[in-house]
Amino acid sequence: QSVLTQPPSVSGAPGQRVTISCTGNSSNIGAGYDVHWYQQLPGTAPKLLIYGHTNRPSGVPDRFSGSKSGTSASLAISGLQAEDEADYYCQSYDSSLSGSYVFGTGTKVTVL
Amino acid sequence: EVQLVQSGAEVKKPGESLRISCKSSGYAFTDYSITWVRQMPGKGLECMGDIDPSDSYTNYSPSFQGHVTFSADKSISTAYLQWSSLKASDSAMYYCARHYDGSGLDFWGQGTLVTVSS
Repeated sequence: QSVLTQPPSVSGAPGQRVTISCTGNSSNIGAGYDVHWYQQLPGTAPKLLIYGHTNRPSGVPDRFSGSKSGTSASLAISGLQAEDEADYYCQSYDSSLSGSYVFGTGTKVTVL
Repeated sequence: EVQLVQSGAEVKKPGESLRISCKSSGYAFTDYSITWVRQMPGKGLECMGDIDPSDSYTNYSPSFQGHVTFSADKSISTAYLQWSSLKASDSAMYYCARHYDGSGLDFWGQGTLVTVSS
């Protein structure tokens, strides 16, 4: 069971804005560790979408944005497009136990 | 162009050993760690741990400590994930990814599907 909790699914119509939450605690996000976000299209390897809470790698559309507040982080997708239908995962470092990087539980985004 | 190319799919029996590979190109292999990620069928991503190819220092996630071994060969820019005795529960897709602190996992291999069945 992951220490980073995401909603199992979110959905929206084309053009709408959706947000995905990533809830952690004082051992991970709340401790100030970086949060990264990944998109996994069906049958493909994950792709880095956001790093260091808010930064987009080259080539990632500015429709994707990240934020962090307290022990949680969020990914927002504005102007939702059919090609955004995928699984999304947050990732951070957790200092509890032996300390390791952890992924969130994952969120399926459906474009209606 | 940065690329991580993984070895092909494997079908093994319980108790057998296995080593899969991840060959890097397009960057200085020793400047970045390699992280291994497991994805069981229909499930989410799990971080197994990572290896620093510059000195082969390894860090295993608690769930995987003692069950797998990471290694790296700097001379051929290749990282490895190894099992000494596979179990059916090891059946999964395994990804390698390049990692730099603060930058996330920015380049990924295509994945290696491991099937363990008697």
